Amino acid sequence: KAGVTQTPRYLIKTRGQQVTLSCSPISGHRSVSWYQQTPGQGLQFLFEYFSETQRNKGNFPGRFSGRQFSNSRSEMNVSTLELGDSALYLCASSPGTSGGITQETQYFGPGTRLLVL
Amino acid sequence: GQNIDQPTEMTATEGAIVQINCTYQTSGFNGLFWYQQHAGEAPTFLSYNVLDGLEEKGRFSSFLSRSKGYSYLLLKELQMKDSASYLCAVRDESGGYQKVTFGTGTKLQVIP
Repeated sequence: KAGVTQTPRYLIKTRGQQVTLSCSPISGHRSVSWYQQTPGQGLQFLFEYFSETQRNKGNFPGRFSGRQFSNSRSEMNVSTLELGDSALYLCASSPGTSGGITQETQYFGPGTRLLVL
Repeated sequence: GQNIDQPTEMTATEGAIVQINCTYQTSGFNGLFWYQQHAGEAPTFLSYNVLDGLEEKGRFSSFLSRSKGYSYLLLKELQMKDSASYLCAVRDESGGYQKVTFGTGTKLQVIP
């Protein structure tokens, strides 16, 4: 079974631009979660999508948004980029149950490293 | 909200045993994970605890005490390849949402 894939792997943008990152989960997995990782803050939860609906969310501003398609692939969008958005963005997939992300292990993709200049 | 604390760095000798502690504060605890992350790579799952006690998996064991808000990851027979960051993550439910919160990680250096 192929693992979680993320594209692109590296990205350079300038302040004010917007960016879209893509994540393809493990085949059969329906839940996709997004995280931001920075040296100072560690891994921070952005949001989780399940069956094309945002099911859980963290404490990020509205500039961060996402969506999930019927094939479970997910995209994350960041608008009006700021320097502080430079980070590694990780996507994680899990099988997904109707009760939420309980009792499930998340499998991470390799991440997209975003640099905002 | 949540607060997860783990040591920033640790150093241990090849062949030895090391214990990485994690303390947390949460109102709706629903499981604790340990992940390993090598530099430049994605985190990989090591263990999951939801009930009190010890879970053993080869050279790795994880312990949980829910009443104390405490967990540890025990690594035995350390190998050089165990040099990595170890992330403690707590899943909880709050305000109708479930989320997984990660600690900032413990960077372990294994020396010969």
